[in-house]
Amino acid sequence: AQSVTQPDIHITVSEGASLELRCNYSYGATPYLFWYVQSPGQGLQLLLKYFSGDTLVQGIKGFEAEFKRSQSSFNLRKPSVHWSDAAEYFCAVASQYSGGGADGLTFGKGTHLIIQP
Amino acid sequence: EAGVTQFPSHSVIEKGQTVTLRCDPISGHDNLYWYRRVMGKEIKFLLHFVKESKQDESGMPNNRFLAERTGGTYSTLKVQPAELEDSGVYFCASSRLQRLSGNTIYFGEGSWLTVV
Repeated sequence: AQSVTQPDIHITVSEGASLELRCNYSYGATPYLFWYVQSPGQGLQLLLKYFSGDTLVQGIKGFEAEFKRSQSSFNLRKPSVHWSDAAEYFCAVASQYSGGGADGLTFGKGTHLIIQP
Repeated sequence: EAGVTQFPSHSVIEKGQTVTLRCDPISGHDNLYWYRRVMGKEIKFLLHFVKESKQDESGMPNNRFLAERTGGTYSTLKVQPAELEDSGVYFCASSRLQRLSGNTIYFGEGSWLTVV
């Protein structure tokens, strides 16, 4: 069964500093990988996704993530965070053959990002 | 284009009461999903509709949960009777296609349920 580990429950970063949120997955074949964000009062928004090809994926809001098969990781990065980036971030994995059902998206527990002024 | 909308956004009910959550998917999206996040846990799949039919309901925790999708449009998720462990955030999502490749699943803001 596929699984996702986000080892950091909370991360505090100063505004303007760089950010890296960790995500490790367990899946037997080539995974589809996703990062979602939930800002206060908002729904889950897709930041970026990796299906194949270039292992460095660019997303919205200046985020990027790098797929490292050897480390089973898909860490999310941003060079300079803004106060509006304060939110909860979810990493997810899915089979390339799946839809959105039970065999679809498997989420991590989330990382709560706090931005210090 | 309106996104996925959910109602109510917050609900506080007593143990044993009934709550009905509603989801309006994006217009034209045949696929509708319900997910749940219990505090401190992962977001977990509950069920998947394709139009008005239940494609997969393997994630429904027990028979106190009933989901419907009348006419393949909006969906409701009823919890009856509610228990304390049902507290959490219930997310609805919709997509045009069933597969993940070349497709995007759009999530709503969630319905926060607290059972006291």
